[in-house]
Amino acid sequence: KQEVTQIPAALSVPEGENLVLNCSFTDSAIYNLQWFRQDPGKGLTSLLLIQSSQREQTSGRLNASLDKSSGRSTLYIAASQPGDSATYLCAPPTGNQFYFGTGTSLTVIP
Amino acid sequence: EAQVTQNPRYLITVTGKKLTVTCSQNMNHEYMSWYRQDPGLGLRQIYYSMNVEVTDKGDVPEGYKVSRKEKRNFPLILESPSPNQTSLYFCASSRQPQMNTEAFFGQGTRLTVV
Repeated sequence: KQEVTQIPAALSVPEGENLVLNCSFTDSAIYNLQWFRQDPGKGLTSLLLIQSSQREQTSGRLNASLDKSSGRSTLYIAASQPGDSATYLCAPPTGNQFYFGTGTSLTVIP
Repeated sequence: EAQVTQNPRYLITVTGKKLTVTCSQNMNHEYMSWYRQDPGLGLRQIYYSMNVEVTDKGDVPEGYKVSRKEKRNFPLILESPSPNQTSLYFCASSRQPQMNTEAFFGQGTRLTVV
């Protein structure tokens, strides 16, 4: 069974800082890895999908990397803004299932 | 607009009273799944469906049933709810997990069983 760990569990930073969120997983037989954002009381929104053959994927101020062999992915957020405050979750589909980390709760202070 | 719709959004019920949470998607996705989200435990998959009439257990299926009679709908049934099923539930849809397309989630159903 895939085990997904996200570090740190919570992060509070002043506006404008560059951030790194970490995701590690135990089973490297993944098809891809998705990063999601969840606002309080809301559903999940897909931010980035990295295919297993890719090393990086970028969308605006977000950049995600994937090292499948070492079981790691990193989400980099540049020039953080208060609107980035949310919980960020990673999910590497394995077999026929999606597995999620417990997330990193991010607060960006104006 | 691509959408996964869950109903109801909020539900308070009593122990043992059967309930159904509906989920519908408009993207013609083959794969649909249900999750529960609990503090400190993250999202855990309850059941998933690879296509019509094909369903399988996820990691926490006990106390739940599902059916997939049509491609767009995937209801979650609690035959005899218990307080330990109090949770935030999400439905999701996508193409098959190995097809490198994003998953779409519903807005969630907050269930309280008293």
